[in-house]
Amino acid sequence: EAQVTQNPRYLITVTGKKLTVTCSQNMNHEYMSWYRQDPGLGLRQIYYSMNVEVTDKGDVPEGYKVSRKEKRNFPLILESPSPNQTSLYFCASARGGGTEAFFGQGTRLTVV
Amino acid sequence: QKEVEQDPGPLSVPEGAIVSLNCTYSNSAFQYFMWYRQYSRKGPELLMYTYSSGNKEDGRFTAQVDKSSKYISLFIRDSQPSDSATYLCAMTNSGYALNFGKGTSLLVTP
Repeated sequence: EAQVTQNPRYLITVTGKKLTVTCSQNMNHEYMSWYRQDPGLGLRQIYYSMNVEVTDKGDVPEGYKVSRKEKRNFPLILESPSPNQTSLYFCASARGGGTEAFFGQGTRLTVV
Repeated sequence: QKEVEQDPGPLSVPEGAIVSLNCTYSNSAFQYFMWYRQYSRKGPELLMYTYSSGNKEDGRFTAQVDKSSKYISLFIRDSQPSDSATYLCAMTNSGYALNFGKGTSLLVTP
């Protein structure tokens, strides 16, 4: 089954404790992207990757890091999480560009 | 001004009605337009994808793009309670950096 898998689905952490949210896709897609979704603000793009070792900033990259060492994986790293990064995070992948993206089920992150 | 504007609703319609969902945008460089549906506690799923201006139909769904007015629409015919969800428009010029509307919440009542 074609899917984008995020882990963990739920995470509560403390301010400053580094964390990684993993994202993996099994469709051999070139494009992968991370979004955060907040009430009243909608979906905002954090980072995207056009292919292995090629990444670029989206609208809200501050406080996040990404890497794309393998085609199937695109982890999101929060080096020093802060409460304003409490959000619902989605990973997505697409063949070629990002216009027909498949989304993961989301990761609900709470930073206290 | 946000690049993509979308009325958040909620929009409530009776079953069987025709639903019209809309987005406006300010960046004339956008040329790829998408509609996603998001059920509660789920990730968005792609409904329609349109390149440049024109109409596209898929079953009960029709997407329209009017680049001259910077206006896109999604029509749902014969709406069903299972169509109750949040509908997100998205657009991009490059195909890589996507811009989403805030979503319109739709409720179809039996």
